[in-house]
Amino acid sequence: EDKVVQSPLSLVVHEGDTVTLNCSYEVTNFRSLLWYKQEKKAPTFLFMLTSSGIEKKSGRLSSILDKKELFSILNITATQTGDSAIYLCAVLIQGAQKLVFGQGTRLTINP
Amino acid sequence: DSGVTQTPKHLITATGQRVTLRCSPRSGDLSVYWYQQSLDQGLQFLIQYYNGEERAKGNILERFSAQQFPDLHSELNLSSLELGDSALYFCASSPRHGGAVDTQYFGPGTRLTVL
Repeated sequence: EDKVVQSPLSLVVHEGDTVTLNCSYEVTNFRSLLWYKQEKKAPTFLFMLTSSGIEKKSGRLSSILDKKELFSILNITATQTGDSAIYLCAVLIQGAQKLVFGQGTRLTINP
Repeated sequence: DSGVTQTPKHLITATGQRVTLRCSPRSGDLSVYWYQQSLDQGLQFLIQYYNGEERAKGNILERFSAQQFPDLHSELNLSSLELGDSALYFCASSPRHGGAVDTQYFGPGTRLTVL
């Protein structure tokens, strides 16, 4: 069974801290890994990672994939209260064309 | 705003009833995906349509069905509703059929409450 596991499930930090969110996966036929940010309602796309070792960066957010060890991390530096959200990791399964989601990490940034 | 629209925003109904959720994908997107998000199960993939045809099936119950119309909008039909069907139902769209270069853009969701 395809499985995506995120850790931690919940994280509370102070504004300005750096956080690292983890996503590990065990799937039959990996195609790519995606990170989403979910605030009040719909998830919004952050990154798609297909190749190992290539860092994707967008402002204070960055992510990298390790296809050998089957995990990805999402880093957020100089966190702001607006970064408070649930961060979802999902793996796109080749062939089945479906996304398998992890449980999410609830990140809370306190001022 | 992702460009994906879903109606209605909220739906409250009783057990045993049938409801239809509607989704309009982003302009030009051919693929539509349906997801269910509940507190205990997280986000679960239900079904995908590509240009009117069913493409992939996930954890969709037999009481649920979907279709994609020629104008590419999609409907998810939920019948014989049970309390456990209460959840947030998301629709997402992508330009093609979910290949590596595609991502999925999510609509705002429909919150279904079954009483």
